[in-house]
Amino acid sequence: QQQVKQSPQSLIVQKGGISIINCAYENTAFDYFPWYQQFPGKGPALLIAIRPDVSEKKEGRFTISFNKSAKQFSLHIMDSQPGDSATYFCAARGGGGATNKLIFGTGTLLAVQP
Amino acid sequence: DSGVTQTPKHLITATGQRVTLRCSPRSGDLSVYWYQQSLDQGLQFLIQYYNGEERAKGNILERFSAQQFPDLHSELNLSSLELGDSALYFCASSVTSDQETQYFGPGTRLLVL
Repeated sequence: QQQVKQSPQSLIVQKGGISIINCAYENTAFDYFPWYQQFPGKGPALLIAIRPDVSEKKEGRFTISFNKSAKQFSLHIMDSQPGDSATYFCAARGGGGATNKLIFGTGTLLAVQP
Repeated sequence: DSGVTQTPKHLITATGQRVTLRCSPRSGDLSVYWYQQSLDQGLQFLIQYYNGEERAKGNILERFSAQQFPDLHSELNLSSLELGDSALYFCASSVTSDQETQYFGPGTRLLVL
C-alpha cells in the first residue's frame, strides 16, 4: 500500500513530441504528489507538484494530470527537447506523523532524440 | 545549484568501517532529509530532522544514525559497513517540516569494498 508504481521504465521521444510518464498508487491517504527530474551526476530537482483536490496543474511545458478515482497521476512534457533527457521520478507523501515521508517511484529514463 | 552542499563527493572504504557524511542545508531551511539511492532499491527516505529534532523516520538501518546540529548542518553516520551499503546518499532540505519542496544536494557516492 505504500508503493508508487511508475511506468515506463524508459522512454524515447522525438524532439517536439509529447513525453508521458505514468504513476499509480494504492494508499488514498497520500496527499501530495511531486515529480522530480534528475540529470546524471546530480541530485533530483523538484519539477512540479499537485495535491489530490486538483485534476491538472501546468507549469510551462510540464503538466501533471491527476485522477483521484483511478489513483493515478501522470507527467506530460509538451514539445520535448533534448535538454529534457533525464530520469524522472514521481513521488507521493504519506505515512503521517513520525512516519511521514516521500515515497518515490522507480524512475523513468527519458531520451529525447534531436 | 540547489544551495545544498554535501561532503565528501566520493568515499571509498572497506567493510566493517564507519563513515560520516555531511550536509549543509540551504540558507533558511530548517528541515534536512537523508535519502539512499541504489540501483535495486531506488530512492529511499532514511530520516528527517527539523530544527535539530528528529521528525520522521524511514527505512534507516540500526547501523545508521544521524543528527542535526545547532547551525542546522547534519551528519549521517554509517557504521559496520557492508557491501550492500554502497549507494548514492543524498541530503535534501526544505523550509518547513512537511516534506514539500525539497532541494537536493549533489550526493555522496559511497563505495564499500
